[in-house]
Amino acid sequence: QVQLQESGPGLVKPSETLSLSCTVSGGSVSNTRYFWGWFRQPPGKGLEWIGNVYFNGNTNYNPSLGSRFTISIDTSQSLFSLTLMSVTAADTAVYFCARHETDGYSFTYADTWGQGTLVIVSS
Amino acid sequence: DIVMTQSPDSLAVSLGERVTINCRSSQSVLFTSRNKDYLAWYQQKPGQPPKLLIYWASTRASGVPDRFSGFGSGTDFTLTISSLQAEDVAVYYCQQYYSSPITFGQGTRLEMK
Repeated sequence: QVQLQESGPGLVKPSETLSLSCTVSGGSVSNTRYFWGWFRQPPGKGLEWIGNVYFNGNTNYNPSLGSRFTISIDTSQSLFSLTLMSVTAADTAVYFCARHETDGYSFTYADTWGQGTLVIVSS
Repeated sequence: DIVMTQSPDSLAVSLGERVTINCRSSQSVLFTSRNKDYLAWYQQKPGQPPKLLIYWASTRASGVPDRFSGFGSGTDFTLTISSLQAEDVAVYYCQQYYSSPITFGQGTRLEMK
């Protein structure tokens, strides 16, 4: 059974760059059936999709969030990563990594999630 | 972006009673050529990640009790819990994956009366 685990700093200073990783165990990030995605949830608020990456490095992003996010994948280490530049207090949230099924055409629902990691942006 | 609107925002229901949560999309999420509605439901308990309950609007995810059912097509959907159990207290979200970006409803908080 596949498991996902986020890792990264819990505290980041404003204007700095946030880097998170998601390690996948019990399955392969090279599996063509899946995309690997990131979501976030500000404290007490709803869910927001950030974007995802396919095994070949192709990415999709939520344009409503701007262009500060970068998602990448490392198949040799079975992990994928999220980088967020120039963070502000508005980026304080729980960040989740997740696995998206595909329908043969594109990505769909997220069937497996990591536990999430709280990132606080504060000086 | 497709806007997802849930109703109600919150509700309190007695143990064993039926629960209905509504979700409306700002445009159809039915892919007619594939005959599938690109709509999922998730359950989120405090301090936990979302858990997939329903996908393709009405297909129950693995391990999900059969008291959970999804209905609807096009722009209007419902999640029904046939008989509320204590462990069902949570926030429920609908999500469309018809077009990018994926978007969620604002959530419906379900409490025990």
